[in-house]
Amino acid sequence: GAGVSQTPSNKVTEKGKYVELRCDPISGHTALYWYRQSLGQGPEFLIYFQGTGAADDSGLPNDRFFAVRPEGSVSTLKIQRTERGDSAVYLCASSLTGSQAFFGQGTRLTVV
Amino acid sequence: EDQVTQSPEALRLQEGESSSLNCSYTVSGLRGLFWYRQDPGKGPEFLFTLYSAGEEKEKERLKATLTKKESFLHITAPKPEDSATYLCAVQPAEGYSTLTFGKGTMLLVSP
Repeated sequence: GAGVSQTPSNKVTEKGKYVELRCDPISGHTALYWYRQSLGQGPEFLIYFQGTGAADDSGLPNDRFFAVRPEGSVSTLKIQRTERGDSAVYLCASSLTGSQAFFGQGTRLTVV
Repeated sequence: EDQVTQSPEALRLQEGESSSLNCSYTVSGLRGLFWYRQDPGKGPEFLFTLYSAGEEKEKERLKATLTKKESFLHITAPKPEDSATYLCAVQPAEGYSTLTFGKGTMLLVSP
């Protein structure tokens, strides 16, 4: 596709449930990033992939959060045992290494 | 730790009333400073990258400038369609290509 695609656009889940958020990056972009944005805040870094490997996962808040990118393209962010504090917009971005990142529209996650 | 502070938090302008947004930063070596525009319910949209003090870039009514401590986004004769949140982010020279964002400035331009 022409841009970064994220699905679903909205997700409502119950506290304690497991969720998966998907990101399709721009074709050919080797770098992929996940950010989380709360209301009134700037995006907060979660994890960075270079190819298939997680080069930097220092932003993941705890071990309930995990992300994969098995073939170096599509990435999935996985959240176990969701909590109300996980509610936010989850943004994915991709780039050619070292250049500007292009963001998707985000997935709005609401934990009730 | 890299830090980015944007001011003001919100700015209301009349159409045609020029102004500037500020982004102050601390980073252990700067690879690049980025400006993004974000509309409600959308992801950030790339505007500019600045790499060294003294650099300037322009796009339509927007001009971004960079010093060693801060960046300004100048908006000349804004229009209502310029209303959005403007985000500033820094990328460190060392380590990985991740960005540290400020909280943004919410701009509202009234006709």
